[in-house]
Amino acid sequence: AQKITQTQPGMFVQEKEAVTLDCTYDTSDPSYGLFWYKQPSSGEMIFLIYQGSYDQQNATEGRYSLNFQKARKSANLVISASQLGDSAMYFCAMREGPGGGADGLTFGKGTHLIIQP
Amino acid sequence: GAVVSQHPSRVICKSGTSVKIECRSLDFQATTMFWYRQFPKQSLMLMATSNEGSKATYEQGVEKDKFLINHASLTLSTLTVTSAHPEDSSFYICSAGERTGRKTEAFFGQGTRLTVV
Repeated sequence: AQKITQTQPGMFVQEKEAVTLDCTYDTSDPSYGLFWYKQPSSGEMIFLIYQGSYDQQNATEGRYSLNFQKARKSANLVISASQLGDSAMYFCAMREGPGGGADGLTFGKGTHLIIQP
Repeated sequence: GAVVSQHPSRVICKSGTSVKIECRSLDFQATTMFWYRQFPKQSLMLMATSNEGSKATYEQGVEKDKFLINHASLTLSTLTVTSAHPEDSSFYICSAGERTGRKTEAFFGQGTRLTVV
């Protein structure tokens, strides 16, 4: 079974609208971390937001927020007031374990977001 | 956030030669770094975990003799693709984690686009 599932291969959104990118995960480890990255055409991976499994509040970073629904194993990324520069691939990723940094990330297949003027 | 620098960003090499890719953490020490591979229009796949002062840990299916990893200092890990072949052409990207409080964030280098001709 896939550990990270992103069901939207591509999305078109009008500029200034809010966007929700879906991500569900599968793990039996009680400690885990969820990440979202943006990958523009240049290839670099830009860290957007992090949510720990024990965090009580949903993570927010500027225009990015993470809608964390633990019981549903869902970690959707919400981008408010989308901009043309938001067009890119977006990857959801998970690290299993207590977060000591000793484990690599498992990535979803990504969502290609295109913002239209 | 923390800065991870990867070099070179692009390399073209002849089949049968070896290529070395460097990954540096610029403003923090990283006992662990990770190497990922990304084929066109696909997700990132973890290849190996690089451990400072000890042997790397390879994911299943990754040939350790082909992808040599050296992590000789707390700020530098290298990946050497030995006897490269056209099927090794891919985007290789490293990451390192910086622990902040209870979490460890994962920051990525700029990636290296390898083309074997």
